[in-house]
Amino acid sequence: KAGVTQTPRYLIKTRGQQVTLSCSPISGHRSVSWYQQTPGQGLQFLFEYFSETQRNKGNFPGRFSGRQFSNSRSEMNVSTLELGDSALYLCASSSDRGPTDTQYFGPGTRLTVL
Amino acid sequence: TQLLEQSPQFLSIQEGENLTVYCNSSSVFSSLQWYRQEPGEGPVLLVTVVTGGEVKKLKRLTFQFGDARKDSSLHITAAQPGDTGLYLCAGFTGFQKLVFGTGTRLLVSP
Repeated sequence: KAGVTQTPRYLIKTRGQQVTLSCSPISGHRSVSWYQQTPGQGLQFLFEYFSETQRNKGNFPGRFSGRQFSNSRSEMNVSTLELGDSALYLCASSSDRGPTDTQYFGPGTRLTVL
Repeated sequence: TQLLEQSPQFLSIQEGENLTVYCNSSSVFSSLQWYRQEPGEGPVLLVTVVTGGEVKKLKRLTFQFGDARKDSSLHITAAQPGDTGLYLCAGFTGFQKLVFGTGTRLLVSP
């Protein structure tokens, strides 16, 4: 079974621009979660989608948004990029058989904001 | 805000040594997980502990969940270079919502 894939793997943007990251979950998984990882703040939860609906949300500004498509693929968007948005963005999928079901992480997209 | 503090932050040891990583919180978690992350990859789940006082062994790794379900520890016996990586504890705070610990970076030298 193929794992979680994220595209692109690396991205360089400038302040003020916007960016869209993509995540393809493991086949059959309907829950997709997004996390931001930085050296200073560690791994922080952004949001989680299930059946095209946002089910959980972390404490991030409205510039961070996401969506999920009917095939469970998900995208996250960051508008008006700031230097502090430079991070590794990780996507995780689960089969959602329970609230603590195993999440499988993708390799991440490394975003650098100049 | 539920926080998970890990200690130590960094650990550099020689092959064959034993080590323990701690994960502490003032909050109670229904379950707690440990992950290992290697450079350029996402975290990979090692274990999930659910019951207070639970001990799980995975080859040379031993995981313990505190009786009050607020803390956990990871003990590695006879560490090997392949154990090198970032170790993260994480607790569930809601449906499919994980709070991650601050991380422990382990370097095992031959």
